[in-house]
Amino acid sequence: GAGVSQTPSNKVTEKGKYVELRCDPISGHTALYWYRQSLGQGPEFLIYFQGTGAADDSGLPNDRFFAVRPEGSVSTLKIQRTERGDSAVYLCASSLNPDQETQYFGPGTRLLVL
Amino acid sequence: GNSVTQMEGPVTLSEEAFLTINCTYTATGYPSLFWYVQYPGEGLQLLLKATKADDKGSNKGFEATYRKETTSFHLEKGSVQVSDSAVYFCALSDNTGNQFYFGTGTSLTVIP
Repeated sequence: GAGVSQTPSNKVTEKGKYVELRCDPISGHTALYWYRQSLGQGPEFLIYFQGTGAADDSGLPNDRFFAVRPEGSVSTLKIQRTERGDSAVYLCASSLNPDQETQYFGPGTRLLVL
Repeated sequence: GNSVTQMEGPVTLSEEAFLTINCTYTATGYPSLFWYVQYPGEGLQLLLKATKADDKGSNKGFEATYRKETTSFHLEKGSVQVSDSAVYFCALSDNTGNQFYFGTGTSLTVIP
């Protein structure tokens, strides 16, 4: 069975541009998570979906960041007016349900804002 | 709040040496504890986990015991191999299961 997939694997953009990062979770997993990992750091939580709804978006750094999961499967993380400080690896994870289940991580999207 | 403090690296060991990577945590309630590993060029993979006090997680020769009295979950392996070279992350999941809290990672290099 396929694991969590993320596209693109790498994204280079210019400051001020808009980017979308996609996550395809493991089939049947209801919980989906986005994390951001800066160089030399552990992943930091951004947002969590249970089904279609964002159950916890407390980790989003500001209103330039937004994520959707309209059909309860694929999710898109959207970043408006990108800044150089947004450069990081964006990780997606999914779990069968959110009750302390193991999270399975995708390979990440490496975003570089020039 | 919830947090994880992890031994800083990098750590360099000779093949067959004993490995310990320290991890302590702060949490409300009764978290689950995890070790994830990130091999060069790959994504995070679950290495082992423990869901309650005194549980021992084990996998691929690695072990960690959930110690509530010392709020620790130290990773150990008796004899490391070159293929164990990776970055190791300690993490906890709180009662809500909403998110993981990760340590900063410990880079391990094993030399032949």
